Amino acid sequence: GQGVEQPAKLMSVEGTFARVNCTYSTSGFNGLSWYQQREGQAPVFLSYVVLDGLKDSGHFSTFLSRSNGYSYLLLTELQIKDSASYLCAVRIDTNAYKVIFGKGTHLHVLP
Amino acid sequence: AQTIHQWPVAEIKAVGSPLSLGCTIKGKSSPNLYWYWQATGGTLQQLFYSITVGQVESVVQLNLSASRPKDDQFILSTEKLLLSHSGFYLCAWTGTGQLYFGEGSKLTVL
Repeated sequence: GQGVEQPAKLMSVEGTFARVNCTYSTSGFNGLSWYQQREGQAPVFLSYVVLDGLKDSGHFSTFLSRSNGYSYLLLTELQIKDSASYLCAVRIDTNAYKVIFGKGTHLHVLP
Repeated sequence: AQTIHQWPVAEIKAVGSPLSLGCTIKGKSSPNLYWYWQATGGTLQQLFYSITVGQVESVVQLNLSASRPKDDQFILSTEKLLLSHSGFYLCAWTGTGQLYFGEGSKLTVL
């Protein structure tokens, strides 16, 4: 079956970094997105990648390896307010309008 | 700038009662629109999508239906709510590869 997998929890320390991993197994691939979601709120778009490699967007960077079905979101210079859930979503190209979300990784940033 | 608004923000409803949730997008012509559902602590699940007025495709029905009566409006409804319908409902539109979500509607079914 098709799926997007993420670790449930991640802890890191303020001022350091955190890497949120995502692996996927889908019948097709038409891009991968990352979102931040706070408790009781809607997800907020962070990054979209469709080509292999590292995309540096400052506080957030995104890596993609299509051959390995793997992506990560790297948060640098962590702040307490970065504590949130981070969702990985894969757009399947067999149906360009279908997106599969991972369950999300809850990042807890410690002081 | 595009804005997407959902209503109501929250609802508490009885099992077996009807439901209607709405979504309006402004500043975007002919948007692709989506309904998502998220159980508490659960995964975002795509329910419906629509690429044009009057046309709605079902991904997972969950005893719900959707309609697109206007270019800028998307409606989610059911005639009889189940306990399992509780959760967070999100309307979204697509930009270049990403989804933009409305504020969401929190539904509690008792």
